[in-house]
Amino acid sequence: NAGVTQTPKFRVLKTGQSMTLLCAQDMNHEYMYWYRQDPGMGLRLIHYSVGEGTTAKGEVPDGYNVSRLKKQNFLLGLESAAPSQTSVYFCASSLRNRPYSGANVLTFGAGSRLTVL
Amino acid sequence: GEDVEQSLFLSVREGDSSVINCTYTDSSSTYLYWYKQEPGAGLQLLTYIFSNMDMKQDQRLTVLLNKKDKHLSLRIADTQTGDSAIYFCAERNSGYSTLTFGKGTMLLVSP
Repeated sequence: NAGVTQTPKFRVLKTGQSMTLLCAQDMNHEYMYWYRQDPGMGLRLIHYSVGEGTTAKGEVPDGYNVSRLKKQNFLLGLESAAPSQTSVYFCASSLRNRPYSGANVLTFGAGSRLTVL
Repeated sequence: GEDVEQSLFLSVREGDSSVINCTYTDSSSTYLYWYKQEPGAGLQLLTYIFSNMDMKQDQRLTVLLNKKDKHLSLRIADTQTGDSAIYFCAERNSGYSTLTFGKGTMLLVSP
């Protein structure tokens, strides 16, 4: 049981290049999330998904796209990378909870460090 | 929107108690959380508290919740050097299955 696995762990891009971060979970969780962590900014939600085939915008969605074609995978894409997207990206997943109820405990991956030159 | 505030840094000596504080804005938050992040790693859940509780204790950890003041605290008893990490407070966003995190408090424990 690997939990939440992120690939790659490290990546260096040039401005304008594109790339995809892959998140895979083996816990049969319905919900998946992408956060970015920047010094002094904490964690900010980029996009999330409450089920296969559905995605929604978070706090900082601009410049990113996501897809959830399979329940266990959540992909984060950068179409044209910018230096402002240099960050550590965390994927997380959780079980489904009814609105306004349930503890909604998130399980996090180890992170993907992206540098855009 | 939701907002979570924490002090950025706390330094204690080994064996002392540590208290990390957090304030939140969404009075309808049903769950509040404490996560721990060790260097180079992801976040791990430490504990959470339901909003109808005032206190929750789990071994060396004590969580206090003051709903009137929207204040949450995490007390770590007998702090060890292995407790050095960043601690994040988070609230469950009302009506949604997302969490809003604070900026994190870096705890440094010196021998």
